[in-house]
Amino acid sequence: NAGVMQNPRHLVRRRGQEARLRCSPMKGHSHVYWYRQLPEEGLKFMVYLQKENIIDESGMPKERFSAEFPKEGPSILRIQQVVRGDSAAYFCASSHGDQPQHFGDGTRLSIL
Amino acid sequence: DAKTTQPPSMDCAEGRAANLPCNHSTISGNEYVYWYRQIHSQGPQYIIHGLKNNETNEMASLIITEDRKSSTLILPHATLRDTAVYYCIVGGGNQFYFGTGTSLTVIP
Repeated sequence: NAGVMQNPRHLVRRRGQEARLRCSPMKGHSHVYWYRQLPEEGLKFMVYLQKENIIDESGMPKERFSAEFPKEGPSILRIQQVVRGDSAAYFCASSHGDQPQHFGDGTRLSIL
Repeated sequence: DAKTTQPPSMDCAEGRAANLPCNHSTISGNEYVYWYRQIHSQGPQYIIHGLKNNETNEMASLIITEDRKSSTLILPHATLRDTAVYYCIVGGGNQFYFGTGTSLTVIP
């Protein structure tokens, strides 16, 4: 009964590179959410997806960030041309319908 | 952006009940109250949620006032492993607005 799985747990990138963060939701969950957490702050909502559809991306930066949740495979959060300010913990959550969200343990992204 | 207000920190003696308050005066009729906690920057852990009635599960109890403008999370017998940041969230299930939460320290 695996929970939400995120990988990698830690990711180091140099400025200008691309970062890809993966999230496999809990079995039976078709709703995926991405959040970002800066040090000493609460989580900030980024995007909400269902299979093959972006439902709400109001928290996503307009440039360089994109997310997908394909019919098969994990959800991907993609950050192009990373900058120092992208360093953060990125958490994924999943839910079944309007049930509570369950979170993974996050990906810590560090930009050199 | 958070629609809740929580004290920034609290202490609780080990074995005693921890009562964590939350104000959510702008809550709307169809919004639930959710409680999560985060330990050592792990992913937030779901604790409990409710709409109007008080709720209890194996982890905690949730007391919601009749006007729904505030609630209290109760950990009946706090242990050292309950030391964490506790977040009170109101919402309809899509976007969760996390404030800075309450940092609970359980003291031996």
